Amino acid sequence: QQQVKQSPQSLIVQKGGISIINCAYENTAFDYFPWYQQFPGKGPALLIAIRPDVSEKKEGRFTISFNKSAKQFSLHIMDSQPGDSATYFCAATPADSNYQLIWGAGTKLIIKP
Amino acid sequence: DTEVTQTPKHLVMGMTNKKSLKCEQHMGHRAMYWYKQKAKKPPELMFVYSYEKLSINESVPSRFSPECPNSSLLNLHLHALQPEDSALYLCASSPIANYGYTFGSGTRLTVV
Repeated sequence: QQQVKQSPQSLIVQKGGISIINCAYENTAFDYFPWYQQFPGKGPALLIAIRPDVSEKKEGRFTISFNKSAKQFSLHIMDSQPGDSATYFCAATPADSNYQLIWGAGTKLIIKP
Repeated sequence: DTEVTQTPKHLVMGMTNKKSLKCEQHMGHRAMYWYKQKAKKPPELMFVYSYEKLSINESVPSRFSPECPNSSLLNLHLHALQPEDSALYLCASSPIANYGYTFGSGTRLTVV
């Protein structure tokens, strides 16, 4: 069964600190790894994404690190701000599907002022 | 226009009611999706339309009936729902052969 395992389930970080969320996948060819940010009462919004031929991608304060051999990828939020408090989902798209996303369980991030 | 618009934002319906959820996008995306999301869980895929044709149905009960009238519109018709169907229903769209989903804000459905 295709799976993406996400940790931690919840995370509290001080303002200005670095938030790190980790995901790992198993035994399947995935070719696209997006991260979504979801605020309460809203739909998920695409935050940043990476393909497996790249080891790192940075957009502003958000960075994805990708380790293909370990089948792991992580989201780093630098200089975390209270406005970053949200639920974050990692996901992966199987190489044989244009439409399906395999989702991680989500991480609830709280940034303390 | 880079939005997916969903209406209504909130819906309360009885188990014998018939209602419809609506979704609209004007980004030229040719794939549209219905997802269901329970509290503290990731979204679960229900249906995928590609070029206005149903391409994926994730074994969804027949009390949920999707419809794609044109490339910009997606409906979800609801009939004889159960209280456990209460959830946030999300519509999304994406370009074909591109993986960037755009989600709407969802319809919060309560079945009483």
